[in-house]
Amino acid sequence: DTAVSQTPKYLVTQMGNDKSIKCEQNLGHDTMYWYKQDSKKFLKIMFSYNNKELIINETVPNRFSPKSPDKAHLNLHINSLELGDSAVYFCASSQGTGAETQYFGPGTRLLVL
Amino acid sequence: QKEVEQDPGPLSVPEGAIVSLNCTYSNSAFQYFMWYRQYSRKGPELLMYTYSSGNKEDGRFTAQVDKSSKYISLFIRDSQPSDSATYLCAMSAGNTGKLIFGQGTTLQVKP
Repeated sequence: DTAVSQTPKYLVTQMGNDKSIKCEQNLGHDTMYWYKQDSKKFLKIMFSYNNKELIINETVPNRFSPKSPDKAHLNLHINSLELGDSAVYFCASSQGTGAETQYFGPGTRLLVL
Repeated sequence: QKEVEQDPGPLSVPEGAIVSLNCTYSNSAFQYFMWYRQYSRKGPELLMYTYSSGNKEDGRFTAQVDKSSKYISLFIRDSQPSDSATYLCAMSAGNTGKLIFGQGTTLQVKP
């Protein structure tokens, strides 16, 4: 049974479109994260939520909007997609907001044409 | 300059070799140090976790942290082809869950 799951796995879309990525964790964790991994494998945090409250909000274009309907789900909505948004987006979860182990999902590969 | 520097490689070694992977960092507030392993087209998974300076060993893997030099290492003994992956160092000051990752080193272990 997958601990952190993401849908879709692959997303190919045109510039200017709006898309969403969904994440679910069944670990009972309180904190969830979104990371972006670029083509050089550089992994950078974007957002984190703890019990549906935004904790980390890095310098990310406001076209990116996270939404946490409950502590087991964290979605990422991207408006007006740009070529530079092409990357792999990873969701992760941890028990708390400190230095606990973060468990990553399998990633969503986004390609903007 | 990035907060965490890691040589992206690639690093290619023969099976059975000892592998040394390293990261340097600039932020003295980092107290928690991790190594994640990422297989191709998969998510990162935690391999080693160390708090503050010192060594930690787990099977064939040893993690070392030298806070005075702002330098961390991961050693893999008796490397196996199944160790072929990208190894990412990550660090945290510990209060927000914010992990800062290195770029990752791609390792290939040849049979």
